[in-house]
Amino acid sequence: AQKVTQAQTEISVVEKEDVTLDCVYETRDTTYYLFWYKQPPSGELVFLIRRNSFDEQNEISGRYSWNFQKSTSSFNFTITASQVVDSAVYFCALTPTGGFKTIFGAGTRLFVKA
Amino acid sequence: SAVISQKPSRDICQRGTSLTIQCQVDSQVTMMFWYRQQPGQSLTLIATANQGSEATYESGFVIDKFPISRPNLTFSTLTVSNMSPEDSSIYLCSGDLQDTGELFFGEGSRLTVL
Repeated sequence: AQKVTQAQTEISVVEKEDVTLDCVYETRDTTYYLFWYKQPPSGELVFLIRRNSFDEQNEISGRYSWNFQKSTSSFNFTITASQVVDSAVYFCALTPTGGFKTIFGAGTRLFVKA
Repeated sequence: SAVISQKPSRDICQRGTSLTIQCQVDSQVTMMFWYRQQPGQSLTLIATANQGSEATYESGFVIDKFPISRPNLTFSTLTVSNMSPEDSSIYLCSGDLQDTGELFFGEGSRLTVL
């Protein structure tokens, strides 16, 4: 069975703080994709990153970075020097390679206060 | 990437009526997906729509309640039939980008049923 767990329901930080959003997944598939999506208050879903299960290299994109550890089935997302515009709900998701059904975590609501 | 135009962006409907949501993609997509996001919740897959065949519904969702059309590779509709207040949600359509499992989403349709 596939499962994505985002244990943090809500996180509140002050602007310029660093924040890490946790994501733990379960799957019996040997190959799969992991994703992070952002949903701002306006409601649309914005793609942030895709990671193939064979690629455990960490990735940095501006203030965003992702730590993929297959040994612990985790794919954590860190925002450095957070800004008010980062306030949103963030979803971690899993798709088996060759499949099509994407499983979403429950989401983590991030509040960044000025 | 691709762009999905989804409409209506929001609507307020009366109990017992039906509403059709449209999604237009700016490129051809093999599979399209319809998700529901109830208030404060994660995304739940309603059905998968392939062109030229009947949609495949997930457990808990039936064709009579959520009929779907997929007349070609760039367009799909979802109808929410005989609506009740419990149907108040955001409905999102998505497409599978280059069969990678990466989903790109429409802007969402925020539906309120009175």
